[in-house]
Amino acid sequence: QSVLTQPPSASGTPGQKVTISCSGSSSNIGINTVNWYQQLPGTAPKLLIYNNNQWPSGVSDRFSGSKSGTSASLAISGLQSEDEADYYCAAWDDSLNGWVFGGGTKLTVL
Amino acid sequence: EVQLVQSGAEVRKPGQSLRISCKAFGYRFTSSWITWVRQVPGRGLEWMGRIDPTDSYVNYSPSFRGHVTISADKSTSTAYLQWSILEASDNAIYYCARGIAVDGIRWFDPWGQGTLVTVSS
Repeated sequence: QSVLTQPPSASGTPGQKVTISCSGSSSNIGINTVNWYQQLPGTAPKLLIYNNNQWPSGVSDRFSGSKSGTSASLAISGLQSEDEADYYCAAWDDSLNGWVFGGGTKLTVL
Repeated sequence: EVQLVQSGAEVRKPGQSLRISCKAFGYRFTSSWITWVRQVPGRGLEWMGRIDPTDSYVNYSPSFRGHVTISADKSTSTAYLQWSILEASDNAIYYCARGIAVDGIRWFDPWGQGTLVTVSS
């Protein structure tokens, strides 16, 4: 049982916009920033969004992040087949004094 | 280029010990924490703990405290994850990641390529 809650799966067709949610609590998302990681099949996770809505160098602006209260969202616009991956949210938890992850969302491009 | 290069896949029997490594390139090793993350095949990411290479202070997840040891060697810019007694439940891929912190904002970047640990009798 992950501390942050994500839907296990999401899907869309090429060109569509998909949104993945991440729900936490007052000790993590409520007071700390959220990061998103993309894990392509058979590879290591890669930073996708940091500080709720910032792009690392080289990441497409088709990916966008937002945060409100104790929840965060990752939106992927103009869906492409290469976006098929697992997506994880993460935040520091002040009560646990450690990092917490969501359970991951498997994105399928139909 | 900033990168973390991990040691290769390992196969051990239950009860044996193991140490895997994560070598940092392209940045000052003592400027960032190194975090370790477990991924059981087909499952999600679990934070295990982190180390400050400056003074080797370690912060463990309660789920892993007492079962693994995280250490670092400043002279070789290498972090380690070790087990004294492996269990079958330790079968997983282990990732290291650089923990960056700027003005209270924290994230992991980059990640190592992962080390597959297989524990089987």
